[in-house]
Amino acid sequence: GAGVSQSPSNKVTEKGKDVELRCDPISGHTALYWYRQRLGQGLEFLIYFQGNSAPDKSGLPSDRFSAERTGESVSTLTIQRTQQEDSAVYLCASSPRDRGFDTEAFFGQGTRLTVV
Amino acid sequence: GQNIDQPTEMTATEGAIVQINCTYQTSGFNGLFWYQQHAGEAPTFLSYNVLDGLEEKGRFSSFLSRSKGYSYLLLKELQMKDSASYLCAVSNFNKFYFGSGTKLNVKP
Repeated sequence: GAGVSQSPSNKVTEKGKDVELRCDPISGHTALYWYRQRLGQGLEFLIYFQGNSAPDKSGLPSDRFSAERTGESVSTLTIQRTQQEDSAVYLCASSPRDRGFDTEAFFGQGTRLTVV
Repeated sequence: GQNIDQPTEMTATEGAIVQINCTYQTSGFNGLFWYQQHAGEAPTFLSYNVLDGLEEKGRFSSFLSRSKGYSYLLLKELQMKDSASYLCAVSNFNKFYFGSGTKLNVKP
């Protein structure tokens, strides 16, 4: 596709259930990021993938959060045993970092997660 | 740690000029980005500074002083559609660190 695609766009889940969020980056983009944005707040870094290198997981808030990416394609962010505090918009972004460090990130529309 | 500060909210009048400031203290620095985010939408790229000075792109300009850890975004000839949140982000090698964003309200 032309842009970063995320699914689902909205997800309502019960506390304690697991959820899986999907991100399809722009074709050819080697870098992929996940961010969390709580209502009225800025973007909180979660995890970064670059090609086949080990991901940078330093932003994951707890061991309930995990993410995978196969090569330079789709990524999934999984949240286990969801809590109400996990309610937020989860944004995925990709960038063509093979052109250098400082290229802008292109964001998807996000997945709005509501834990009830 | 990473610390990026922006004012929470600003209000300006259509046709006027507004300056949104950003100060940062980060463990590393490659460049500074500004993004625009309309309510309920994804952030979109506005500008990028890697060297000190002013970068101009139409109605939008961005300034950087690396020695002061300071940047600003200048919006001229404000339009109603400029009402949005403006996010300052520091690039540190492989990561972007975002501020909390400044919500700009443009009034007629």
